[in-house]
Amino acid sequence: RKEVEQDPGPFNVPEGATVAFNCTYSNSASQSFFWYRQDCRKEPKLLMSVYSSGNEDGRFTAQLNRASQYISLLIRDSKLSDSATYLCVVRGGMGFNTGNQFYFGTGTSLTVIP
Amino acid sequence: DGGITQSPKYLFRKEGQNVTLSCEQNLNHDAMYWYRQDPGQGLRLIYYSQIVNDFQKGDIAEGYSVSREKKESFPLTVTSAQKNPTAFYLCASSPGTSGGVGYFGPGTRLTVL
Repeated sequence: RKEVEQDPGPFNVPEGATVAFNCTYSNSASQSFFWYRQDCRKEPKLLMSVYSSGNEDGRFTAQLNRASQYISLLIRDSKLSDSATYLCVVRGGMGFNTGNQFYFGTGTSLTVIP
Repeated sequence: DGGITQSPKYLFRKEGQNVTLSCEQNLNHDAMYWYRQDPGQGLRLIYYSQIVNDFQKGDIAEGYSVSREKKESFPLTVTSAQKNPTAFYLCASSPGTSGGVGYFGPGTRLTVL
């Protein structure tokens, strides 16, 4: 079983739409959670960390459900510039060797259409 | 400016040659990582290091080697034993604590001719 699973999409949405991405993780001892954005042929860049109480950054809202081991990202009022691949990332777990590793989902592709 | 640099950006190699990819960071991070990304696929961990002079194999370490002689540097050597080395290689660093964010370098695209 993969550490982190995401729906690969693609998601094709019109400008102004609201879109949600979901992600599940397998290790209940995971400690840190993030969403990264990756543009075509570029490196991943941190979009936002995900906190237990949920957090918002402008048009982006992230939620964490530890009981269900589930993470979500909501994008409101989609812009053309939001087109990218969104990676769900989980860090930490039991043991010295695994505690500092990052585990990446395969990413969800988003295209915002004019 | 603080950050992670990787060089070269593009690298072409003949079959049977070893090549070394550079990764340097001035963020004072303890942990460094190497990932490989193939087209349309996710990141796969090659090697990681949590402290100077120590490193561990990731999921796909065969055909690769690393060293961590300095905190700032974590070079990756792609050896001739790596069967399919053409890929996008990404280096990352993070604070040593499990809550730290990971920061990526711009990557090196390796093509074997």
